[in-house]
Amino acid sequence: QKEVEQNSGPLSVPEGAIASLNCTYSDRGSQSFFWYRQYSGKSPELIMSIYSNGDKEDGRFTAQLNKASQYVSLLIRDSQPSDSATYLCALDTGRRALTFGSGTRLQVQP
Amino acid sequence: DADVTQTPRNRITKTGKRIMLECSQTKGHDRMYWYRQDPGLGLRLIYYSFDVKDINKGEISDGYSVSRQAQAKFSLSLESAIPNQTALYFCATSDLSSTEAFFGQGTRLTVV
Repeated sequence: QKEVEQNSGPLSVPEGAIASLNCTYSDRGSQSFFWYRQYSGKSPELIMSIYSNGDKEDGRFTAQLNKASQYVSLLIRDSQPSDSATYLCALDTGRRALTFGSGTRLQVQP
Repeated sequence: DADVTQTPRNRITKTGKRIMLECSQTKGHDRMYWYRQDPGLGLRLIYYSFDVKDINKGEISDGYSVSRQAQAKFSLSLESAIPNQTALYFCATSDLSSTEAFFGQGTRLTVV
């Protein structure tokens, strides 16, 4: 079992819709969780961090964390074509460096 | 200018050659990392360093070595490059209080 699991996609949503990206993890000791956005050929860019159970909202983005069920999700409201990218889930398992999932590719159709 | 700078941005090298990828940062962070990205495999940790005297292997360190020349500089070497080391390489940094990572622009390495 991978430490961090993401559906590779592509996840295709129409413009204006809500995109829901999910990530599950295996290490119950994980404390910090991050979502990165990566455009093709570019470097990952941090868009959200979440540390406690519940929801955290930042503009059109909402991160959700459920430690009991070991999942973290990212919701993107009013999706735009510019949101088309690969979204990487990352977490800190206490081993001093982030562990990344393989990413979900999101396509927002105009 | 980027806070985390990688050189070169692109490199084609031959099998068996030694190659060094360099990373420098102006963020003042103590922690530096080298990751490798392959299609479908996400980012995998090669080496990381928490200060000049601290070097640690990541999950895929075989075939690689690193040098932390200063707080701001962390280089990755491939002693004898092989084709399956063809990948996109990223340097990243973080500060002492968080593992939140900031990435360089990446180096696309092709070994032929």
